Amino acid sequence: GENVEQHPSTLSVQEGDSAVIKCTYSDSASNYFPWYKQELGKGPQLIIDIRSNVGEKKDQRIAVTLNKTAKHFSLHITETQPEDSAVYFCAAWAIGAAGNKLTFGGGTRVLVKP
Amino acid sequence: EAQVTQNPRYLITVTGKKLTVTCSQNMNHEYMSWYRQDPGLGLRQIYYSMNVEVTDKGDVPEGYKVSRKEKRNFPLILESPSPNQTSLYFCASLPDRGHTGELFFGEGSRLTVL
Repeated sequence: GENVEQHPSTLSVQEGDSAVIKCTYSDSASNYFPWYKQELGKGPQLIIDIRSNVGEKKDQRIAVTLNKTAKHFSLHITETQPEDSAVYFCAAWAIGAAGNKLTFGGGTRVLVKP
Repeated sequence: EAQVTQNPRYLITVTGKKLTVTCSQNMNHEYMSWYRQDPGLGLRQIYYSMNVEVTDKGDVPEGYKVSRKEKRNFPLILESPSPNQTSLYFCASLPDRGHTGELFFGEGSRLTVL
């Protein structure tokens, strides 16, 4: 089955700096890669996603890149703000796989220091 | 408001005392799933359901049961809870099994088994 590794597990950045979270996956059939943000006491919420036919996607201060050959994808947050402090999860999804299972990485706790 | 509702949000129980965590969604979604979240392990799928009366095991189904008698409800049952089931549990839903996009999560149920 799919295995998703996520690094780092914790990340502390100064407000205004950039944050980068990296994930690797094992199943070459995976073709959809969402990122979820989990604020304290809440359920995860989708913040951005990318499909395998795209190499990069951007939404304001957030961008995701995908390298299918190397089987890795990354989340980039620029000009970080205190409200970016949260736990972030990457995930990989193989469309058509039995059971429609989304495999998550282990999560990254991001702390933005004012 | 479109939402996934879980109850209870917090529960402390003792080993062996049966409990049920309820999950309800108001979006007419076909696909529902249960995850558990543990530090460093991310979100791991327990069970999922692609439609009414259709359920299947995820990655960590041992010690859990589910049922899907109605489209909106997907309760998680712990027949004989053990301390290793102490965790944060999330219910989530999707429009249908072939849909990739936003997985809607509930706010979580924190369970402690003594």
